[in-house]
Amino acid sequence: EIVLTQSPATLSLSPGERATLSCRASQSVSSYLAWYQQKPGQAPRLLIYDASNRATGIPARFSGSGSGTDFTLTISSLEPEDFAVYYCQQRSNWPPGYTFGQGTKLEIK
Amino acid sequence: EVQLVESGGGLVQPGGSLRLSCAASGFTFSSYSMNWVRQAPGKGLEWVSYISSSSSTIYYADSVKGRFTISRDNAKNSLYLQMNSLRAEDTAVYYCARDENSSMFDYWGQGTLVTVSS
Repeated sequence: EIVLTQSPATLSLSPGERATLSCRASQSVSSYLAWYQQKPGQAPRLLIYDASNRATGIPARFSGSGSGTDFTLTISSLEPEDFAVYYCQQRSNWPPGYTFGQGTKLEIK
Repeated sequence: EVQLVESGGGLVQPGGSLRLSCAASGFTFSSYSMNWVRQAPGKGLEWVSYISSSSSTIYYADSVKGRFTISRDNAKNSLYLQMNSLRAEDTAVYYCARDENSSMFDYWGQGTLVTVSS
């Protein structure tokens, strides 16, 4: 079973700063990796799919990179509405299903 | 506009059963695979189950295998999750999510809370 490990668990930054979030897979997941944003009391929202493609309506300040086992979500210049919890997710062929990372909380410094 | 609306959550005793529903609109439901994802209070996301567009392929997380059953009715644009033998650790908000390309969840419902407690 593939395990996704996100780091750091908490990231404290100020608006306008650059955020770099990491997701590491225990074995290669090719490029089948997605990122989600979740705000309190809301459902998750898809940000990035296939490691580097922005979902519909997602601002250009969000970008994804990586392949194999190491992936990064970058927010180039933080807006107040970006402070939230971020999850990575991958599809597993065996056992069949999906796995999420444990999340990174991006908080205002 | 794509909409997913879950219902059926509530308080149930350990060992009890509950059936969740997800009503879909704004897209051709019969063309998409669907999933259930849950989130325990204050915890992260956990994938629960997957069903293909024609119901021919179904997967479950080990944590619910043998207790939960996913199904769908394409004529009614609805997704279901039958939950039996419920445990305290099944307490969570349950989301239905549309599956895109068998790799990601592009639309989510608002969730329905299931509380398992005596």
